[in-house]
Formats: sequence, C-alpha cells, structure tokens
Amino acid sequence: AQSVTQPDIHITVSEGASLELRCNYSYGATPYLFWYVQSPGQGLQLLLKYFSGDTLVQGIKGFEAEFKRSQSSFNLRKPSVHWSDAAEYFCAVVALTGANNLFFGTGTRLTVIP
Amino acid sequence: GAVVSQHPSRVICKSGTSVKIECRSLDFQATTMFWYRQFPKQSLMLMATSNEGSKATYEQGVEKDKFLINHASLTLSTLTVTSAHPEDSSFYICSAPQAGSSYNSPLHFGNGTRLTVT
Repeated sequence: AQSVTQPDIHITVSEGASLELRCNYSYGATPYLFWYVQSPGQGLQLLLKYFSGDTLVQGIKGFEAEFKRSQSSFNLRKPSVHWSDAAEYFCAVVALTGANNLFFGTGTRLTVIP
Repeated sequence: GAVVSQHPSRVICKSGTSVKIECRSLDFQATTMFWYRQFPKQSLMLMATSNEGSKATYEQGVEKDKFLINHASLTLSTLTVTSAHPEDSSFYICSAPQAGSSYNSPLHFGNGTRLTVT
C-alpha cells in the first residue's frame, strides 16, 4: 500500500534562509507525487507535482522538488523563504487505482521568523 | 481559474443535530468529488468519493450512515454529518478534479469547513 511520511512536524526558519521539507514515500510502482500548501484559513493549493520525466520539478511561488527514486524521497526546497510562506505543507501520493484520490503525509508546519 | 466553493467555512452545532456541508464546482463540471477529514495535528484522510448520479464510495472505517453524501448534480456534492457528536468535530475539506477522475487532472480544493460539535 502507498504511504507518505513527512518526518518533520514543525520547522522554523529565518526569512531569507533556504528551506527543505522532507518527504518519503512507499509505493510499489512509479509514484505520482504532489506537494500542497495550506495557508491559515485557506484551502489547499497545489505547489507542484511529479509524474515522470525530469526529476527536478519547478512549482509556483519559487518552490522546487526533486524526485529521488533511490531514496524514495520527494523533498521540497526553496532558496529564500518569505514570511508569506508560513503555512502547512503536505506531501501526497496518488492512490494505486489511478483515480485522483490522494494519500497525504501528516504535514509540516513552517514558521518563518523575521 | 477553476474554483471549488465550500460552505459553510465554520459551523458550531449541538450534539445530536445534523450538519450539511456543500461543495460546489463553480466553473467546471465535476462528476467526481472527494471528501477529506483532517484531525488536529494529523493529515488529511480520504473519507469518501462522491459520484454524480450514483452512490458514494466510502473508505474503510467511515460510517456511511453517519456521513451521508449526495452528489445530485455535476456541480454540487453535499456531506451531511448526521446526529453529530463531539468526536465528529474536525476540519472537512472537499476536492474535485477538473476533468474526469484521472490522476493527471488538476485537483481543486475547497477552503474547508471547521465543524465544532458542543
């Protein structure tokens, strides 16, 4: 069965510092991986997704993620964090059936300090 | 762009009452919608898949008689929490793929509903 692990529950970074949020997945085949962001009081927004091809994926808001099959990871990165990036970040993998029902990690809460 | 509207955003109800949550696709037709539940400090968990014109598909462990889902039209799915109890207090969120149910279809989320049962 598929599963997603986000080892870091809460991360605090200074504004302008770089960021990396970890995501590990368990899946029997080539995974379809996503990163979503949930800002306070708002719904989920897709940051980026990986289906195939180039393992370095560019997303919105300056985020990128790299798929590493050997490590079963899909870590999210940003070179310079802005205060508005403070939010909850979810890594997700699509279900085996191929339908668009996602299995989410437990999320990582990002706090940005000035 | 495609938008999913979820209403209400917050609701407080008394134990034993029922609460209806609406999920609407505003500028696209959604034959499928997904309902998730998020417990505090936990991830979103898929509760059920709502299918227009047919019965919803519930995930294991989700009580179908407690969480009634109706997908009456191509733009509206409703989740009714019946005889709500304090343990039903949670954050409920819906999503809809923009075209069909393929993984490759953009998935749009509502803003969620915070349900508090007193």
